[in-house]
Amino acid sequence: QKEVEQNSGPLSVPEGAIASLNCTYSDRGSQSFFWYRQYSGKSPELIMSIYSNGDKEDGRFTAQLNKASQYVSLLIRDSQPSDSATYLCAVNMRVPNDYKLSFGAGTTVTVRA
Amino acid sequence: GAVVSQHPSWVICKSGTSVKIECRSLDFQATTMFWYRQFPKQSLMLMATSNEGSKATYEQGVEKDKFLINHASLTLSTLTVTSAHPEDSSFYICSARDPPGGTSSTDTQYFGPGTRLTVL
Repeated sequence: QKEVEQNSGPLSVPEGAIASLNCTYSDRGSQSFFWYRQYSGKSPELIMSIYSNGDKEDGRFTAQLNKASQYVSLLIRDSQPSDSATYLCAVNMRVPNDYKLSFGAGTTVTVRA
Repeated sequence: GAVVSQHPSWVICKSGTSVKIECRSLDFQATTMFWYRQFPKQSLMLMATSNEGSKATYEQGVEKDKFLINHASLTLSTLTVTSAHPEDSSFYICSARDPPGGTSSTDTQYFGPGTRLTVL
């Protein structure tokens, strides 16, 4: 079982619609979860972090966390063409004396104008 | 958020040569930096964890003698790809953890812009 799994893409949505991205993780003890956006040829950019169960909203982005289900999601409201990118789910996993980020494979989103 | 820079942004070299990539935290001190590699259409793979003033910790399968990491100051870590070969061609990305100092599950990693290495 992979440490972090994301729903397979690519995901194509019309401009103005909601894009929904899902992610599950294997380590029940994980406490911190991140969504990064990566444009083609560029490095990842942090867009959301979430640590507590429930919803966290930041502008058009909403992250949702359910630790009991080991599930985290990202909603992009009013999708814009500039949102077209690969979205990486990352989980901070405990290793001896430290933490390291484990990434999902990413979901590529295309917003159609 | 914290700003991390990398230099160079791209490099082309001949097979057998060595290439050094620099990673700098610009507005904070980073006691821990991370080096990742990303091949086309794949996700990021952690290569090593770089700790200021101590030896780097390498992930399983990463050759420490081939990928030399030096973290001599709180704002600079370097990755040297020694005797590079075409299969080392990849996108190398560093990140720095904020806040510095101890470790916490809520620590956030901020990524540099990446270095694209092409070995001919």
